[in-house]
Amino acid sequence: DTAVSQTPKYLVTQMGNDKSIKCEQNLGHDTMYWYKQDSKKFLKIMFSYNNKELIINETVPNRFSPKSPDKAHLNLHINSLELGDSAVYFCASSILGVNTGELFFGEGSRLTVL
Amino acid sequence: KQEVTQIPAALSVPEGENLVLNCSFTDSAIYNLQWFRQDPGKGLTSLLLIQSSQREQTSGRLNASLDKSSGRSTLYIAASQPGDSATYLCAVNVEGSNYKLTFGKGTLLTVNP
Repeated sequence: DTAVSQTPKYLVTQMGNDKSIKCEQNLGHDTMYWYKQDSKKFLKIMFSYNNKELIINETVPNRFSPKSPDKAHLNLHINSLELGDSAVYFCASSILGVNTGELFFGEGSRLTVL
Repeated sequence: KQEVTQIPAALSVPEGENLVLNCSFTDSAIYNLQWFRQDPGKGLTSLLLIQSSQREQTSGRLNASLDKSSGRSTLYIAASQPGDSATYLCAVNVEGSNYKLTFGKGTLLTVNP
């Protein structure tokens, strides 16, 4: 069983389009995250949610809108895609924050904007 | 602002060699430090988590140490194997921020048979 699963794994689209990435975790964790890994492999936090509530929005443009319908799911919707949005997006989860527990990652969704 | 630096950026060693990866962070007020492994095209896998009150953690051939006051951690890999080839990342959180890890850029390790 996959602990943190995200779909799609690959996404190729044109500038200006809107796309979504879905994430689900079956670990019973309260906290979920979206991270972005750029072309230089630098991994940076975008959003943190705890029990469906937004905790951290790390100065991400308004074109990115996360949605957490329940604590096992955290989806990422991106409007008006730009070339600079091309990256690998990782979903992750932890029991409750990161102070006491490990972070579990999905396999990533590679977004290419043409 | 917390910044995490990993040296070297890349390392190539022959199989069987013991090696050390380094991680430094600018703000010593951390709750914990985690080491991750990332294989090409894959997500990150947590290797070791060291709480700020701990000095080291061990798992198999891996040993991670933490010197919080000096802002440093090392990951020691004993008797390296080709299967250890991957990118190793360290990440820290900061006291007062329970929902954010700051990552280094990683060390790309290649173990040659």
